[in-house]
Amino acid sequence: QSVLTQPPSASGTPGQRVTISCSGSSSNIGSNAVNWYQHLPGTAPKLLIYSNNQRPSGVPDRFSGSKSGTSASLAISGLQSEDEADYHCATWDDSLSGLLVFGGGTKLTVL
Amino acid sequence: QVQLQESGPGLLKPSDTLSLTCAVTGYSIISSNWWGWLRQPPGKGLEWIGYIYFNGKTKYNPSLKSRVTMSVDTSKNQFSLKLSSVTALDTAVYYCATASVGYNFDKWGQGTLVTVSS
Repeated sequence: QSVLTQPPSASGTPGQRVTISCSGSSSNIGSNAVNWYQHLPGTAPKLLIYSNNQRPSGVPDRFSGSKSGTSASLAISGLQSEDEADYHCATWDDSLSGLLVFGGGTKLTVL
Repeated sequence: QVQLQESGPGLLKPSDTLSLTCAVTGYSIISSNWWGWLRQPPGKGLEWIGYIYFNGKTKYNPSLKSRVTMSVDTSKNQFSLKLSSVTALDTAVYYCATASVGYNFDKWGQGTLVTVSS
């Protein structure tokens, strides 16, 4: 049972815009910045979005992130076949003595 | 550019101690980065195990803290993870990663599968 809640799956056709949600609480998303990772099975996860809406160098601007209250979202516009991957949200949780928490991951299928 | 590579036994028995090493190349481990371990059990999400600074300062996941030890070997430019008293629940792909800022893990290893089975 992951601390952050993501839909297990999402899908879209090439060119479409899809969004993936990440829901948390006041002790995690409500208090701290959210990161998003893209993960193709068998490969190293890749930091896609950090600090809610910042893209590391090399990440296309088709990927965008946002946060409101205790929820965050990842949006992918102009969907491409190579975007098919697992997407994970993550943030710091201030409960206990503090820990990094993740969502369960969302499998994105490009139809 | 920084590259990370995990190594260690892939099969353990219950009650064994898991020991993994992450070799860092292209970057000095004594830079201002946090060096971390994460894992992903089969069919589940990612789980943060903890991280360590080059000076030995650590931060562990409270749920694993009693069983986890991390260390840094600056002479070999690598860092390590030990997880004691493993059970089948510790079966997972284990990743090492580095965060240049806060908890932003911006570089990861390929991961190594560790299976715990009798």
